[in-house]
Amino acid sequence: DGGITQSPKYLFRKEGQNVTLSCEQNLNHDAMYWYRQDPGQGLRLIYYSQIVNDFQKGDIAEGYSVSREKKESFPLTVTSAQKNPTAFYLCASSIMTGLSNQPQHFGDGTRLSIL
Amino acid sequence: AQSVTQLGSHVSVSEGALVLLRCNYSSSVPPYLFWYVQYPNQGLQLLLKYTTGATLVKGINGFEAEFKKSETSFHLTKPSAHMSDAAEYFCAVIVDNYGQNFVFGPGTRLSVLP
Repeated sequence: DGGITQSPKYLFRKEGQNVTLSCEQNLNHDAMYWYRQDPGQGLRLIYYSQIVNDFQKGDIAEGYSVSREKKESFPLTVTSAQKNPTAFYLCASSIMTGLSNQPQHFGDGTRLSIL
Repeated sequence: AQSVTQLGSHVSVSEGALVLLRCNYSSSVPPYLFWYVQYPNQGLQLLLKYTTGATLVKGINGFEAEFKKSETSFHLTKPSAHMSDAAEYFCAVIVDNYGQNFVFGPGTRLSVLP
């Protein structure tokens, strides 16, 4: 079945350490997104990519980096510059068409905690 | 700027009672609107979407939503709540011409009491 796979499901980071969250999709979607979700809050956009080798900052990109070397993969690195990284991270993807009405499809998330 | 508000961060209903979750938006015409559901420690699952056409949209799990342009609303309803409906619900609107950037509401947590 097609879908979005995020790994790992749980991740722990030490102070000063960079960690990378994996996101892979086999839906053949062009666009991919990373969101951060904090308890009791909605989703905030970190980065998004509409095409391979190109990506744009979202609302809260500071302390994060991404790459898009393959259509199906969009890894997120949480750098040591992100001082409050504890959150639930969600990856999503969507079809790019001329119609502005396509839903986003989500993975099951990665929960990042600080040791 | 386009935005979504959801009235009530937490809604409790009894099993078998009507579920009503409110969503209001500010958007240029035409709005594209979505409802998602999130169960604990999982991603978001699409419940239903409004793009164009019929203003009453039916989704999965017995949910439906009505687009009311005059009220800028897209409230989610279900006639009879089930225990399995307990989850977080998010309303979202598309904000750019490419249709790729969503704005999500803050979410409403639905509790279903036995």
